[in-house]
Amino acid sequence: SQTIHQWPATLVQPVGSPLSLECTVEGTSNPNLYWYRQAAGRGLQLLFYSVGIGQISSEVPQNLSASRPQDRQFILSSKKLLLSDSGFYLCAWSVLQETQYFGPGTRLLVL
Amino acid sequence: RKEVEQDPGPFNVPEGATVAFNCTYSNSASQSFFWYRQDCRKEPKLLMSVYSSGNEDGRFTAQLNRASQYISLLIRDSKLSDSATYLCVVNMGNKLTFGGGTRVLVKP
Repeated sequence: SQTIHQWPATLVQPVGSPLSLECTVEGTSNPNLYWYRQAAGRGLQLLFYSVGIGQISSEVPQNLSASRPQDRQFILSSKKLLLSDSGFYLCAWSVLQETQYFGPGTRLLVL
Repeated sequence: RKEVEQDPGPFNVPEGATVAFNCTYSNSASQSFFWYRQDCRKEPKLLMSVYSSGNEDGRFTAQLNRASQYISLLIRDSKLSDSATYLCVVNMGNKLTFGGGTRVLVKP
């Protein structure tokens, strides 16, 4: 069966510090991968999605970036965090563009 | 107008009662529809897909009305464990678009 991992589970970072969040998927090949952010009490905002290694589509211009160095690995990064980057970051996978399955998420607090 | 809109609630529901709520979508070309459930501080989890003819999964019934561009979720015999935020999700061709969620609180 397929599983999706995210780490860390929680993170507190100072403004201006770098960020690296990692997501890995097991049990499937060539999945579509997604990064979402959910601000407190808000809906999910799609940040990036990838249909293959090295292929990244950005949905919202911001100071975040994403990379897919391996088929089942998706990384979200920032060189300098802003206060507004605080939120719940969720990675998801799907086959083609159908049902998405989410990882447990990373709760980021930027101070 | 938002692409996918939901009443944020909360819907306060007595245990054992029935609750129903809708979600409207703007793109008439939308191809597939889902309901996800999200518990507080947890990731969303797929509750059920929504088929054109309507479908049922235990106490949960989902309906699609393409003419009026909305989907609905009905929960019968509500349990305390049904308390959660229910997210409406619409596939608009190249990505899923999530509604803001409807919060349901089931009380004894």
